[in-house]
Amino acid sequence: TQLLEQSPQFLSIQEGENLTVYCNSSSVFSSLQWYRQEPGEGPVLLVTVVTGGEVKKLKRLTFQFGDARKDSSLHITAAQPGDTGLYLCAGEEGGSEKLVFGKGTKLTVNP
Amino acid sequence: NAGVTQTPKFRILKIGQSMTLQCTQDMNHNYMYWYRQDPGMGLKLIYYSVGAGITDKGEVPNGYNVSRSTTEDFPLRLELAAPSQTSVYFCASEPAGGAYEQYFGPGTRLTVT
Repeated sequence: TQLLEQSPQFLSIQEGENLTVYCNSSSVFSSLQWYRQEPGEGPVLLVTVVTGGEVKKLKRLTFQFGDARKDSSLHITAAQPGDTGLYLCAGEEGGSEKLVFGKGTKLTVNP
Repeated sequence: NAGVTQTPKFRILKIGQSMTLQCTQDMNHNYMYWYRQDPGMGLKLIYYSVGAGITDKGEVPNGYNVSRSTTEDFPLRLELAAPSQTSVYFCASEPAGGAYEQYFGPGTRLTVT
């Protein structure tokens, strides 16, 4: 089974700060997804990246897929308390219709 | 559309009891999944289905069973519940065709004592 390592595991910052969370693997994934999960709810898809080197922006969130399709990062600019949540990366094992999830980064943005 | 719905939201079971977690989606998605989420451990795949009548094991299938008689429903059966099955269970669905988008239900929090 392919593994995805996320770092940091926990992150607590002040409103307005920037942050980056990482998702790394020694294996190649055909696509990689980022989800955000709030307490008591299911994960919600933020973005899917499928091409090595791809960069996608979603308002203040920037997602990057590594050139070798083994790693990804999520950068948040000017974080807001509404960004608080658990951020999960998930990679698709090639052709398997299955996702492998990282353990997540728990982000807290303090007002 | 209601999306993916799960029932019940909470349940307490005694060791050895059985129960079925219900999952229904109204988006006509071919693919459906069951995950469990333990604190600090991300999501682990239990079983999945690529269409009615087809199911396959995920990473942690022991102690569980599934069936997929219709496109909409994908129930998860726990037989002889054990404390190790205490977890939050999520059902998800995905359209076919490489959409790479999984839609999750709100989860069922199960405690086995």
